[in-house]
Amino acid sequence: EVQLVESGGGVVLPGRSLRLSCTTSGFTFGDYAMSWVRQAPGKGLEWVGLIRSNSYGGTTEYAASVKGRFTISRDDSKSIAYLQMDSLKTEDTAVYYCTVMMVMLNFDYWGLGTLVTVSS
Amino acid sequence: DIQMTQSPSSLSASVGDRVTITCRASQSISYSLSWYQQKPGKAPKLLIYAASSSQSGVPSRFSGRGSETDFTLTISSLQPEDFATYYCQQSFSTPFTFGPGTKVDIK
Repeated sequence: EVQLVESGGGVVLPGRSLRLSCTTSGFTFGDYAMSWVRQAPGKGLEWVGLIRSNSYGGTTEYAASVKGRFTISRDDSKSIAYLQMDSLKTEDTAVYYCTVMMVMLNFDYWGLGTLVTVSS
Repeated sequence: DIQMTQSPSSLSASVGDRVTITCRASQSISYSLSWYQQKPGKAPKLLIYAASSSQSGVPSRFSGRGSETDFTLTISSLQPEDFATYYCQQSFSTPFTFGPGTKVDIK
């Protein structure tokens, strides 16, 4: 059974940093791209960024709203994906979901999400 | 960036009704369109990918069709558990973008 569990969310001051982790099981982590998607309270879904598998160079892409502030990485030996969030803004407040992209760049499976609140 | 729109933004329907949601892309995305269902307080769930392919385990009452810029998600016979918000999403090019969602209420 595919499982993704996000952790690391919480309350943080504007301008500070936070690192989210996505611990996975039930599939061969190293074979697939991983994405982060967020949802602000009461709002729709927003793609944050992705990291490709090492077979595709492990390259990353980001939404314009987070580019230069957020960094996605992966540790295939531990089956964990990370989202490093720097220079956080109040508008980054959201539930952050980790997803695995197995077929045709879909978000095939999702974690339960972790809430990040950026507030003074 | 490719913009995604959905209509209607919300709808109320009765159990057993046939429901259709429309999604439109601002430019051609071929068949690179997925549909997700999100229930309150839960993570989204993939229903349909590649415009018309059903994810494993998804009830057959859910179907998708379309190509290029115009797509639809149809629920052939609405069930009480289908109360949810439905999002379309394009995977044709980054940044991947979602539609604003369609909230389905059960009458």
